[in-house]
Amino acid sequence: SQTIHQWPATLVQPVGSPLSLECTVEGTSNPNLYWYRQAAGRGLQLLFYSVGIGQISSEVPQNLSASRPQDRQFILSSKKLLLSDSGFYLCAWRATPGQGYYGYTFGSGTRLTVV
Amino acid sequence: AQSVAQPEDQVNVAEGNPLTVKCTYSVSGNPYLFWYVQYPNRGLQFLLKYITGDNLVKGSYGFEAEFNKSQTSFHLKKPSALVSDSALYFCAVRDINNAGNMLTFGGGTRLMVKP
Repeated sequence: SQTIHQWPATLVQPVGSPLSLECTVEGTSNPNLYWYRQAAGRGLQLLFYSVGIGQISSEVPQNLSASRPQDRQFILSSKKLLLSDSGFYLCAWRATPGQGYYGYTFGSGTRLTVV
Repeated sequence: AQSVAQPEDQVNVAEGNPLTVKCTYSVSGNPYLFWYVQYPNRGLQFLLKYITGDNLVKGSYGFEAEFNKSQTSFHLKKPSALVSDSALYFCAVRDINNAGNMLTFGGGTRLMVKP
């Protein structure tokens, strides 16, 4: 069965420090991968998506970057965190078209607080 | 561009009463629609989806949703609410015009079920 792992669950980082959040998927190959951010416990904003290794598309210009070094690994990074980067970060995956699975599965999220 | 609207920030209902959480959408072409639920500090859990076929879709935990093409709506319903249904609910539509096939979310509706 397919599973998604996201860590850490919570993170408190000082302003100006680097960031690395990791997401891995098991039980599937060549998934579409997504990073969303949820601010103030409400709306979800798509940050990045990837349709393959090394292929990253950014939806919102910001202080963050993403990488996909392996097929089922998606990393969200920052060189220098800002206060405004605080939020709840969610990773998600979707089977590529043609695999007959239309759902999206979300990780358990990372609560990032920048202080 | 496609969009999803959830007109109610919060819905209050008494336990045992029916509940409805509203969602309207705007897409070009046929919509792929989803409902997710989020409990505090958790990831999103899939409830149900509409891809094609019967307009009444049944999902997890006794929830169902009715797809109405003429009204461009996809309201979430449950015949008898439970206190444990209290959570944040998101309606989403898949962007089939983008290679990333990402989900676009509504702003979320907080459901409060009172005993």
